[in-house]
Amino acid sequence: EPEVTQTPSHQVTQMGQEVILRCVPISNHLYFYWYRQILGQKVEFLVSFYNNEISEKSEIFDDQFSVERPDGSNFTLKIRSTKLEDSAMYFCASSTHRTSNQPQHFGDGTRLSIL
Amino acid sequence: AQTVTQSQPEMSVQEAETVTLSCTYDTSESDYYLFWYKQPPSRQMILVIRQEAYKQQNATENRFSVNFQKAAKSFSLKISDSQLGDAAMYFCAYVQNAGNMLTFGGGTRLMVKP
Repeated sequence: EPEVTQTPSHQVTQMGQEVILRCVPISNHLYFYWYRQILGQKVEFLVSFYNNEISEKSEIFDDQFSVERPDGSNFTLKIRSTKLEDSAMYFCASSTHRTSNQPQHFGDGTRLSIL
Repeated sequence: AQTVTQSQPEMSVQEAETVTLSCTYDTSESDYYLFWYKQPPSRQMILVIRQEAYKQQNATENRFSVNFQKAAKSFSLKISDSQLGDAAMYFCAYVQNAGNMLTFGGGTRLMVKP
């Protein structure tokens, strides 16, 4: 069965550095998402992306964050000038249609550690 | 804003027994969808079951079924004939109709005892 894949599985970065998290959604999916889970807390929505633009974003997704689909297969989350509080699991997801019509399929996540 | 609450951080069940995981939510919307996702250790979240709010009939998927009480805003998951492979974190999630943003509960860790 097709899967959403995320790389790397673990990323360690110095505070203040930029980091790019990568995701390859399922090939026929059109909607893409990023979520994060700070240790011990809930999974939180960051952003959804459709037709090469952001369709919805949360308050967490401020100017520090950006998303891109650079080549038709990858979907990336860039975090500029990382902070200690950005340490979390980041999950990518994709779906064929809006979530209310079709479920989101999740990747294994990238554990981001900011030192 | 919508909120989802799972009041049981941990649950345990004997293999072959039945267990019910609780979930409550708060929304002012009338049209929405509810989900249960399973996350085995170090693995991705997998959809277990989905319920449309406009349907009165409770969803079922093999050994998994839900008790959806719309007026009470309750959405519990029942796992029958529990198996060792059911051990995982279980997340309840909500999305409003035509929306994309899943709102998750805090999760319930289910342990299955042989």
